Amino acid sequence: GQSLEQPSEVTAVEGAIVQINCTYQTSGFYGLSWYQQHDGGAPTFLSYNALDGLEETGRFSSFLSRSDSYGYLLLQELQMKDSASYFCAVSNQAGTALIFGKGTTLSVSS
Amino acid sequence: NAGVTQTPKFQVLKTGQSMTLQCAQDMNHNSMYWYRQDPGMGLRLIYYSASEGTTDKGEVPNGYNVSRLNKREFSLRLESAAPSQTSVYFCASSEATGGGGANVLTFGAGSRLTVL
Repeated sequence: GQSLEQPSEVTAVEGAIVQINCTYQTSGFYGLSWYQQHDGGAPTFLSYNALDGLEETGRFSSFLSRSDSYGYLLLQELQMKDSASYFCAVSNQAGTALIFGKGTTLSVSS
Repeated sequence: NAGVTQTPKFQVLKTGQSMTLQCAQDMNHNSMYWYRQDPGMGLRLIYYSASEGTTDKGEVPNGYNVSRLNKREFSLRLESAAPSQTSVYFCASSEATGGGGANVLTFGAGSRLTVL
């Protein structure tokens, strides 16, 4: 089956850089996804890595190392609005649905 | 664009009662999903429908049934609700079937269910 491990909580201050790690075990790997969820809201897609390396989208970047079964989400120039939960996810074995980690709650303070 | 619409937004049930959560998407997506979210447990997949006419079990299917009514609609039914089913339920859809995480999920706003 699929399993993912990520830290439960991370704290940082405005303007800082924070990295949220994710390690995974899968029986079939298609790629690593990241989703953001603000308190009381719906999860929204942030990024997807199918190949090794760094993908950059504005202040957010995502990294994947398939050989290490490891990835991370990098958030730069943190803002208060980045306070949210962040989930990594991998596909089920058939590639037809996403399995999510338990999420990392990021708290950004001023 | 409405995206993914879930009803009801809130519901309180007594143990043993039944109810159906409704989900509809207007993006012509092929795949639809039901997740539940509990504190500290992340999003757990209940059932999904990779395409119209098919449904499959996810990680936590016990106590639930689903119906893919047509391409737009995917309902989740609790036949005999239990307190352990108190949760926030999210419906989601994605454009394609297969391809792993390349298929971006669009989530509904969630349905908060309390079972007393």
